[in-house]
Amino acid sequence: AQTVTQSQPEMSVQEAETVTLSCTYDTSESNYYLFWYKQPPSRQMILVIRQEAYKQQNATENRFSVNFQKAAKSFSLKISDSQLGDTAMYFCAFMKLLTQGGSEKLVFGKGTKLTVNP
Amino acid sequence: GAVVSQHPSWVICKSGTSVKIECRSLDFQATTMFWYRQFPKQSLMLMATSNEGSKATYEQGVEKDKFLINHASLTLSTLTVTSAHPEDSSFYICSARAYGLYPYGYTFGSGTRLTVV
Repeated sequence: AQTVTQSQPEMSVQEAETVTLSCTYDTSESNYYLFWYKQPPSRQMILVIRQEAYKQQNATENRFSVNFQKAAKSFSLKISDSQLGDTAMYFCAFMKLLTQGGSEKLVFGKGTKLTVNP
Repeated sequence: GAVVSQHPSWVICKSGTSVKIECRSLDFQATTMFWYRQFPKQSLMLMATSNEGSKATYEQGVEKDKFLINHASLTLSTLTVTSAHPEDSSFYICSARAYGLYPYGYTFGSGTRLTVV
C-alpha cells in the first residue's frame, strides 16, 4: 500500500518570503501521479500543482513549484513570494496509474498547516 | 470552472437516526464520485468510489451498510449515514470527476460537518 508522509505539521512564513513544504511517499509503483492540494479555512480542497512521475522536469504553476526526486521518493512544494491568501492546510497526495480493475484512489498525507504572517 | 456543491455544510443529528449528505456537480457530468472522511488534524481517507448507475466500491474497513452511497445520476451522489453514532461524527467531503479528465479533474465539495449527539 502507498503511504504519504508530511513531516511538518505546522509552518509559518513572512509575507513575500519563500517557504518549502516537504513530502515523502512510499510506493513500489513506477508510474504514478503526485499532487499538492490546498485546503483553506473554507475547507474546499483546491489543486495547487501536479506532477507525473514519468516527467523529469519539475512542475511549476506561477509562484508554486515542486522539487520532484523520484529516486528519493520526495515531492516538496515551494511557495515563492508568499501571500496572506496562501494561509491554509496543504496536503500532498499520491495516485498510482489506473489499471483495468484497479482503484482510482488519492492517498493523502496528514497535511501541513501553513500560516503566512503580515 | 468545475463546481461541486455539497449540502448540508453542517448537520447535527441524534444518535440512532440517519442523515443524508448530497453532492452535486453543477456544471459538468460527474461519471465518478468519491467520498472522503476527514478526522481533526488528519488526512482525508477515501471511503468509497461510485460510478453513475453502478454500486459503490468501498474501501477496506468501511461499513457498506452504515454508509450508503447512491450515484443515481451524472450530477448527484448521496451519502447516507444510517443509525448514526457519536463515533460517526466527522467531516465528510465529496469529490467528482468528469469523464475523460482522469487523473487531474477532481473537484471537491466544501464538506459536511456531521455531529452525532
